[in-house]
Amino acid sequence: GQQLNQSPQSMFIQEGEDVSMNCTSSSIFNTWLWYKQDPGEGPVLLIALYKAGELTSNGRLTAQFGITRKDSFLNISASIPSDVGIYFCAGPNFGNEKLTFGTGTRLTIIP
Amino acid sequence: SAVISQKPSRDICQRGTSLTIQCQVDSQVTMMFWYRQQPGQSLTLIATANQGSEATYESGFVIDKFPISRPNLTFSTLTVSNMSPEDSSIYLCSAGGQGGETQYFGPGTRLLVL
Repeated sequence: GQQLNQSPQSMFIQEGEDVSMNCTSSSIFNTWLWYKQDPGEGPVLLIALYKAGELTSNGRLTAQFGITRKDSFLNISASIPSDVGIYFCAGPNFGNEKLTFGTGTRLTIIP
Repeated sequence: SAVISQKPSRDICQRGTSLTIQCQVDSQVTMMFWYRQQPGQSLTLIATANQGSEATYESGFVIDKFPISRPNLTFSTLTVSNMSPEDSSIYLCSAGGQGGETQYFGPGTRLLVL
């Protein structure tokens, strides 16, 4: 089946730093989704990407849909304490609505 | 957008027992899904809850272990049957996703099996 690998697995940064994480796939996706999961909550959609090469921003977050359609990147600028959580990439299996989730990147902000 | 609630939010159960988790959506949705998230892991799709017909299970998940009901377009239940400690996980329901629309998630049910 399809697999989505995220790197890094975890990040420890100081408040104010920029963050970059990526997601790679063994197969092509036509849509890339980035979710954030806060402790004790379900995932919340941050950004959706629908076209190869697309670059989309949502406040301090910027995500890109890779040209090969096998990868995506998420950047967070000027991190703040509420950015702490687990970030998942996800993509719908080709032709249906079922989502495959990435392995996740856990973001921790060091005081 | 859809607001999704789950009950219970958490439970501690004895092995061999069963627990039914409820998922309520604040609007009618075509697609509802159930996921499992084991400790420190990503989300794995258990099944698609189909309204008016049997759920569609993913590889590795079976109806006898995870029976699912979907009586209408706003409600679904997942039962974790004959539980063992390996079933300790977060169970999440989601709704939406049809035709490229956003898939929304409930807050999850945290299950600990002793």
